[in-house]
Amino acid sequence: SQTIHQWPATLVQPVGSPLSLECTVEGTSNPNLYWYRQAAGRGLQLLFYSVGIGQISSEVPQNLSASRPQDRQFILSSKKLLLSDSGFYLCAWMAGFYGYTFGSGTRLTVV
Amino acid sequence: GDSVTQMEGPVTLSEEAFLTINCTYTATGYPSLFWYVQYPGEGLQLLLKATKADDKGSNKGFEATYRKETTSFHLEKGSVQVSDSAVYFCALSANNAGNMLTFGGGTRLMVKP
Repeated sequence: SQTIHQWPATLVQPVGSPLSLECTVEGTSNPNLYWYRQAAGRGLQLLFYSVGIGQISSEVPQNLSASRPQDRQFILSSKKLLLSDSGFYLCAWMAGFYGYTFGSGTRLTVV
Repeated sequence: GDSVTQMEGPVTLSEEAFLTINCTYTATGYPSLFWYVQYPGEGLQLLLKATKADDKGSNKGFEATYRKETTSFHLEKGSVQVSDSAVYFCALSANNAGNMLTFGGGTRLMVKP
């Protein structure tokens, strides 16, 4: 069966520190992968998506970046976190043409 | 660009009350429409979907009908339970190359016993 793993579940980081969030998918190959962010009390915003290894599309310019070093691995990074980067980050993959499966999310608090 | 508009919450109901959460969309072509639910502290789960006009998606007592003429996909449930308390997101997929989802702002539902 297909599963998606996202970690860590919670993270508290100081302003200016680096960030690395990892997402891996099991049980499928060549999935479309996505990073979304949910700011407090707001909806979901698409940050990045990837249709294959090394292929990254950015939807919102900011101090975050994404990489896809392996087929089933999607990483969200930052060199220097800002207070405004706080939020709930969700990884997702396309489970068939009409289905998204989301990870359990990472709650990031930048202090 | 594509967009989804949901009624703002929170929506507070008593148990067994009727629920409607409005959702309208703007998109080119013929998008697929979804409702996702987010329980406290968790990620999103697909609740139901509809892929073409007049389709009705249903799951766990929730229903939504794809109305192309009014560009709407309202979520309804005849009798809500306390366990339905969550944030509900309406979303569309324009079925393009990236298959990205565009989400509404979410509606928080609180059901009181």
